[in-house]
Amino acid sequence: GESVGLHLPTLSVQEGDNSIINCAYSNSASDYFIWYKQESGKGPQFIIDIRSNMDKRQGQRVTVLLNKTVKHLSLQIAATQPGDSAVYFCAERVDSSYKLIFGSGTRLLVRP
Amino acid sequence: EAQVTQNPRYLITVTGKKLTVTCSQNMNHEYMSWYRQDPGLGLRQIYYSMNVEVTDKGDVPEGYKVSRKEKRNFPLILESPSPNQTSLYFCASRTTVLFLGEQYFGPGTRLTVT
Repeated sequence: GESVGLHLPTLSVQEGDNSIINCAYSNSASDYFIWYKQESGKGPQFIIDIRSNMDKRQGQRVTVLLNKTVKHLSLQIAATQPGDSAVYFCAERVDSSYKLIFGSGTRLLVRP
Repeated sequence: EAQVTQNPRYLITVTGKKLTVTCSQNMNHEYMSWYRQDPGLGLRQIYYSMNVEVTDKGDVPEGYKVSRKEKRNFPLILESPSPNQTSLYFCASRTTVLFLGEQYFGPGTRLTVT
């Protein structure tokens, strides 16, 4: 497997439980946020996004919460499944620019 | 199938031997970008391109070159690779409409420079 996850914080959850992965972003001018999932040996995959004028957005089994006051973003995964095991990281877009700033990620391990 | 392809997937080379990593997308995206990913760090942008013949430096451009002669292709060139360029490289593409929405990543190229 890839070595990019060697130094990442890890969240271990039981299959079927809900998972919450957190991300602290850096720039108060960030106006758009994305969560990515990266499975071993693969490129990052878009999960869900949220604009700064929203507090919450829901997708299929996933919810993203945005707290601009404390510059915090979270990804909630309902009924976590073994296929959810991966590294998850957030990205922020600053000032409506093209540029994304990526977090280093959290490894999610799902116990059967 | 919409996708970004990269070649090679794995490459071991020696210091100073020029190499090129190819990237191609079939989604007619204007924007393409190269990132490197290192343990414990987030993706860092090397170079990006807003459209054909338009390229610009990202956060870590030293030691790399790119070209964008065609819309679908965005090769990454290492003229004289060094061991500190050992990394996992990703190419990505997206539409430029408001720069929102999904950015598609390739599968990655694992480069080792000895």
